[in-house]
Amino acid sequence: GAVVSQHPSRVICKSGTSVKIECRSLDFQATTMFWYRQFPKQSLMLMATSNEGSKATYEQGVEKDKFLINHASLTLSTLTVTSAHPEDSSFYICSARAGTGAHEQFFGPGTRLTVL
Amino acid sequence: KQEVTQIPAALSVPEGENLVLNCSFTDSAIYNLQWFRQDPGKGLTSLLLIQSSQREQTSGRLNASLDKSSGRSTLYIAASQPGDSATYLCAVDNEKLTFGTGTRLTIIP
Repeated sequence: GAVVSQHPSRVICKSGTSVKIECRSLDFQATTMFWYRQFPKQSLMLMATSNEGSKATYEQGVEKDKFLINHASLTLSTLTVTSAHPEDSSFYICSARAGTGAHEQFFGPGTRLTVL
Repeated sequence: KQEVTQIPAALSVPEGENLVLNCSFTDSAIYNLQWFRQDPGKGLTSLLLIQSSQREQTSGRLNASLDKSSGRSTLYIAASQPGDSATYLCAVDNEKLTFGTGTRLTIIP
């Protein structure tokens, strides 16, 4: 089956620093990747959609200058949380879709971000 | 805007019982519907995916149904086991996934 990895699985940082999270599709080429955020006891909320080689599309209410997304290759997308603050502490999950016309998304294991 | 609701929010049943989880959605123009389980502090495990043209999918003790016209899906779990305890999420795909609020299931040994 299609495998998506995320790195790191857990990160703790100080307020004001930037954190980069990587999402990789290991055995398929992902033309589209998605970034979700999940607060405790809540469901997943889509943050942005990224297509390889183009700018990400952000959902309403998500600051694009704070959450920088780069999808430079067909197997890698990165999410950088810039100038992180405690309210950014959350579980970040990425997913990947194989190609146009494909609708199933394959999910990474998630990254737990804690900002002190 | 697609809205997905899951009822009940939490459910506790004795081991061995059969149970049904419900999911409803407001926009029936979907590509597919997917059921996931999530263990505490972990990522998502895909359980079943039903294409919009399908009525149901089965995997082992799990059976998911889809009634697109009424905007409903159910996940049936047969002969529940303590290992089934988790949060179950449904997600509807119409260009992007919209997740439901989840049902936290506890199977009592």
